[in-house]
Amino acid sequence: GIQVEQSPPDLILQEGANSTLRCNFSDSVNNLQWFHQNPWGQLINLFYIPSGTKQNGRLSATTVATERYSLLYISSSQTTDSGVYFCAVHSNFGNEKLTFGTGTRLTIIP
Amino acid sequence: DGGITQSPKYLFRKEGQNVTLSCEQNLNHDAMYWYRQDPGQGLRLIYYSQIVNDFQKGDIAEGYSVSREKKESFPLTVTSAQKNPTAFYLCASSLQVQETQYFGPGTRLLVL
Repeated sequence: GIQVEQSPPDLILQEGANSTLRCNFSDSVNNLQWFHQNPWGQLINLFYIPSGTKQNGRLSATTVATERYSLLYISSSQTTDSGVYFCAVHSNFGNEKLTFGTGTRLTIIP
Repeated sequence: DGGITQSPKYLFRKEGQNVTLSCEQNLNHDAMYWYRQDPGQGLRLIYYSQIVNDFQKGDIAEGYSVSREKKESFPLTVTSAQKNPTAFYLCASSLQVQETQYFGPGTRLLVL
């Protein structure tokens, strides 16, 4: 099955810093989602982005499907950005399953 | 408010006991999913349902069972055959499969 790798596994930043999180996938996909899991475990949708670039406030994401990676940018980090960020993909090959990466744990220090 | 609800928030299971986790959505979504999350790990798919009265096994279905008798409800039973059930269980739904999935708040299951 498709493999999804995220980097870095852990990231600690000062409030106000910018960050880039990366998601690599091993095969072609027709769907890619970014999620933020808050400290209480709730998964929040950030982006549905099978290709191209999207922006939502301080967050933006870019997926380059032909090169099999996606990037999540967080600018001017706030403590509420802390948590785990997951990317998840649907493979192109008839598989209805959403495959999750292992996540990047982001800690923003005041 | 539209959304996905899960209950209970915490659940304790004794050895040899079956327990059922509830998942309800009022988003009018056809597809529903159950995931398991272990500490420090990503999510793994247990079961999913594309439509009422239909469901398919995911990657880790052994020791679990589901039903989909109503569009808005997709309960998960953790049976005594599941030897390591302690985990965080998340339910999700989407309009159809391969579309954006939305998650409930989760249920933490602990074995006594």
